[in-house]
Order: sequence, then C-alpha cells, then structure tokens
Amino acid sequence: KQEVTQIPAALSVPEGENLVLNCSFTDSAIYNLQWFRQDPGKGLTSLLLIQSSQREQTSGRLNASLDKSSGRSTLYIAASQPGDSATYLCAVDTGNQFYFGTGTSLTVIP
Amino acid sequence: GAGVSQTPSNKVTEKGKYVELRCDPISGHTALYWYRQSLGQGPEFLIYFQGTGAADDSGLPNDRFFAVRPEGSVSTLKIQRTERGDSAVYLCASSPEPRGETQYFGPGTRLLVL
Repeated sequence: KQEVTQIPAALSVPEGENLVLNCSFTDSAIYNLQWFRQDPGKGLTSLLLIQSSQREQTSGRLNASLDKSSGRSTLYIAASQPGDSATYLCAVDTGNQFYFGTGTSLTVIP
Repeated sequence: GAGVSQTPSNKVTEKGKYVELRCDPISGHTALYWYRQSLGQGPEFLIYFQGTGAADDSGLPNDRFFAVRPEGSVSTLKIQRTERGDSAVYLCASSPEPRGETQYFGPGTRLLVL
C-alpha cells in the first residue's frame, strides 16, 4: 500500500523567508502528484499538479519538483507572506486510488 | 463559475441513525470523488465515480457506506447505522475527464455522531 509522508508536520517562519515543504511516497509507480492548500474549516485548493513524466511545475511564487525514482516531491514557496498560512497537503495518484499525506501546517509571521 | 457544493455543511446525528450527504460537482465534470478527513489527518479516499458508475469503491470502509450518482452529476453518500467513529469531514471533489486532472474540492460536510 502506498504511504505518503510529509515533513515537517508544522513550520513557522517570518514573513519574506523562502521555504521548502517535503513529501515522500513509498511506491514510485504513480500517475501524478498534486499539492493542495487547506485553510481551516475549508476544502482543498489545488496548487500544482505534476504528471509522472514531469520534473517540476511552477505557479507564481510556488515551485514543485518531483523525483519519482526516489519517491520525493518538494514544494518551494518564495518570499512567504502571512496569507500563505495554511495546511499544505500532497497527494499521489496511483491510477487506482489517491493517497494523501497528513500535511504541513505553515504559519507565516508578519 | 460555480464550484463544487456540498450539503449540509454540518450534520449532527445519533449513533445508529442513517445519514445522507450530497455533492454537486462542477457542471460537465464526469469524475467525482468522495474522501473522509479525520482531525489532523489527510483525506482518505472512499470512492471514485466516472459518469454514473463507481469505477473504484475500494476505499469504502465497510458495507454501511454506500454512494450513488444516478444521473452522472449529483452524488449522495449514504451511511447506515452510524457509529461515533464515522465522525469526520466528508469531502467531495470533481474533475474533468480523463482521470489524472486537477481535482476541485467542495467545502465538505462535517459529520458528528453522538
């Protein structure tokens, strides 16, 4: 069974810092990997989708990389802002099911 | 345009009761997913519909859980004989064909079984 792990579980940084969130998965046979953002009491918002054949995707201040062979993905957030405070989740699609990590809770301090 | 909507937003029920949770996907999205999220955890996959049929229901925890999507649009997740352990946020997501596209999530239904 695919297992998805996210490190760290929580992160607090001052505004303006660049930061990296990590996601690892145990089975490299994935269809794609997505990064989501979840605000308290809300649903999930998709940030970036990386197909299995891709190495990275960029959207604004966000950059996600994928190393399928090593079972790792990173989400890089540049010049963090207080509005970035949320829980960030990664999810892998194995073609049969979607597996989510437990998330990284990010707090950006003004 | 309108996003994924879910009703009710909150549901409180007593142990042993039957509940129905509704999901309205984005118009034109043929794929629909149900997830369950417990406090402090990531969403747990329950079932995936492609059109009217359940393409993958392997995530349903037991036979008390059932979901339908009779016309390929709105879906209902049904839970019989609810237990306290069923308390969670139930999330619905939809995506256009083919599977593997970005999923768009609804706000969820928070279920509390007393």
